[in-house]
Amino acid sequence: SSELTQDPAVSVALGQTVRITCQGDSLRSYYASWYQQKPGQAPVLVIYGKNNRPSGIPDRFSGSSSGNTASLTITGAQAEDEADYYCNSRDSTANHLVIFGGGTKLTVL
Amino acid sequence: EVQLVESGGGLVQPGGSLRLSCAASGFTVSPNYMSWVRQAPGKGLEWVSVIYSGGSTYYADSVKGRFTISRDNSKNTLYLQMNSLRAEDTAVYYCARDKEGYYGDYDYYYYYMDVWGKGTTVTVSS
Repeated sequence: SSELTQDPAVSVALGQTVRITCQGDSLRSYYASWYQQKPGQAPVLVIYGKNNRPSGIPDRFSGSSSGNTASLTITGAQAEDEADYYCNSRDSTANHLVIFGGGTKLTVL
Repeated sequence: EVQLVESGGGLVQPGGSLRLSCAASGFTVSPNYMSWVRQAPGKGLEWVSVIYSGGSTYYADSVKGRFTISRDNSKNTLYLQMNSLRAEDTAVYYCARDKEGYYGDYDYYYYYMDVWGKGTTVTVSS
């Protein structure tokens, strides 16, 4: 089966731009989706498809993809963006299975 | 309002069984793909199982043969029957609505989970 690899932790100064990456072979055929999870809460979808935001997600969140790497960019990070972020896609090597990255803990300084 | 509410979690001994429920409101479960995702304490998200609109079911290797996903269309509810539970099954279990499609212009697929419940906690311990 495939894997999605994320950096365990990333930090950003308040108001600056941060990129969180996700690598995996599945991303050569699937756009990653991205989820934000705050402590004690359920995950929330923030980016899906080529670069789509669900209703209610601020436009400072954006997504991109190149080769086997997907990126979530937060432009002008806010204190409330401090959370764990997970990428997700199908497992392209194992029909019908779904995979998540290990998650990135974002700290806003 | 589109909503998912899980229930049925609790403390169970190793080798025991538990059935989780996920009641949907604001949309109909049966035409959708629906998944269970779990999160062990202090760990990341782990996909567990999916049921397709046509009724086909698929499982992560870690639960195959022990867990069964199903739905009751009359109750608009998703289920996860968990048997032969192990300590490593201890987690918060979330249900989610899945979406999948294909961008022909870009020759790329997409897969995402757009609605999540708040989760129910399963603890497997003696």
